[in-house]
Amino acid sequence: LAKTTQPISMDSYEGQEVNITCSHNNIATNDYITWYQQFPSQGPRFIIQGYKTKVTNEVASLFIPADRKSSTLSLPRVSLSDTAVYYCLALSNNAGNMLTFGGGTRLMVKP
Amino acid sequence: GAVVSQHPSRVICKSGTSVKIECRSLDFQATTMFWYRQFPKKSLMLMATSNEGSKATYEQGVEKDKFLINHASLTLSTLTVTSAHPEDSSFYICSAPLGRGDYNEQFFGPGTRLTVL
Repeated sequence: LAKTTQPISMDSYEGQEVNITCSHNNIATNDYITWYQQFPSQGPRFIIQGYKTKVTNEVASLFIPADRKSSTLSLPRVSLSDTAVYYCLALSNNAGNMLTFGGGTRLMVKP
Repeated sequence: GAVVSQHPSRVICKSGTSVKIECRSLDFQATTMFWYRQFPKKSLMLMATSNEGSKATYEQGVEKDKFLINHASLTLSTLTVTSAHPEDSSFYICSAPLGRGDYNEQFFGPGTRLTVL
């Protein structure tokens, strides 16, 4: 499993766009970049997954450059309720694949 | 969408007792489920992989005789913390994978907060 590196914490204000970058220099050819969100005392929740270029859903966008050694999760116009820990994982597209979590990024959105 | 439930959500027990935590996939089947432990302000740590119809696979450093896992059916896995001690107090989370066409998504339970007195 490719190791991922993220900033430990980030602060933002309501209404701003937040970009969280994740490094995965040793990502394997069959690995997908996947982001999870976790609120205190809750299980993680899937946000977005991508392989290359750009992926967008109703919650976020994921930007992956051609070399795939990094990725950026973009949260448009954050609100207080987006305060959470965000985990970046690089994992193979295998239903039996367990997830190895890194430290995650603790995002604090201020009013 | 797919839902994974856990029961109980919170449990307090005395040292030396055993506690059973259930993980259920409510609207899909899972031949594999995963158990994680999370200490305050820390990331999730994988404890074991629960396999329906076979023995669980434990991560290094996790005592299989202390953390008993039983994958009784395609929708239920249980984790039993035997002879619990205060250092076992933690947040226990399970997950189950579901294929989504060209990618797979892990669905997590809401977690179980275990406090051992």
